[in-house]
Amino acid sequence: QVQLVQSGAEVKKPGASVKVSCKASGYTFTSYGISWVRQAPGQGLEWMGWISAYNGNTNYAQKLQGRVTMTTDTSTSTAYMELRSLRSDDTAVYYCARESAYSSEEFDYWGQGTLVTVSS
Amino acid sequence: EIVLTQSPATLSLSPGERATLSCRASQGVSSYLAWYQQKPGQAPRLLIYDASNRATGIPARFSGSGPGTDFTLTISSLEPEDFAVYYCQQRSNWHAAPMYTFGQGTKLEIK
Repeated sequence: QVQLVQSGAEVKKPGASVKVSCKASGYTFTSYGISWVRQAPGQGLEWMGWISAYNGNTNYAQKLQGRVTMTTDTSTSTAYMELRSLRSDDTAVYYCARESAYSSEEFDYWGQGTLVTVSS
Repeated sequence: EIVLTQSPATLSLSPGERATLSCRASQGVSSYLAWYQQKPGQAPRLLIYDASNRATGIPARFSGSGPGTDFTLTISSLEPEDFAVYYCQQRSNWHAAPMYTFGQGTKLEIK
C-alpha cells in the first residue's frame, strides 16, 4: 500500500534552517510528483511547492522563493523540503502529498505531517 | 493566480441533514477541482476529484458538482463522522510546471 512517512517534529530558532524528509513506499517513486503543503496552527492549507520525482524539476510558491528548496533521492524514494531563514510565522505542520493517480490535478496520499516550531 | 473562495466559513447542521458547501474560482481555467476533508490532528483526505468523481472508498453520500467557476460539495445526509473542515483545491500551470491553490476552508460543525 502507498505510504508517505515523514520525519519527526523539529524545534528551531529564528534564522535557522529545517529539512523535512518524506519517505515513499508502495509505488514507483519516479512516476508521481510530490508537493509540500503547510498548515499554521488553526489555519488553512498552504501549498509550498512541487517537485517532479522523475527529473527533479521544481516550482515553488512565490512567497517562499529564495527560502525553500525541494529535492529527491530516487535511490531511497525520499523527498526533502528545506526551509531557511526561519521565522515565527513558519511554525506549522508540514505535509508531503503525492500527485494523484486519477488525474495529477490533486493529491491522493499524504504524509502524517511534521510539526516545525520556530521559537527563540 | 487562481483564488478559491469557499462559503460559508462555518456551517452548523445536525446529523441527518443535507450539507451544501461552495467553492468559487476567480477564473474558470479548469474543470478540475478537488475536495478534501480534514479532521483535527489528521492529514487531509481526498474526497472528490475532477469536480464530481468520488475517490476510492468515499461513501456515496458525498457528491460534487461543477465545472466552471462555481463548484459544490454536497453531503446528502450527515453522519457524525462528517463533521470536519472541508477544503477545495485546484491546479494551474506556471511555465509548464504545476501550482496548486486551496480554498480557505469550511468548518462543518454540529448544531
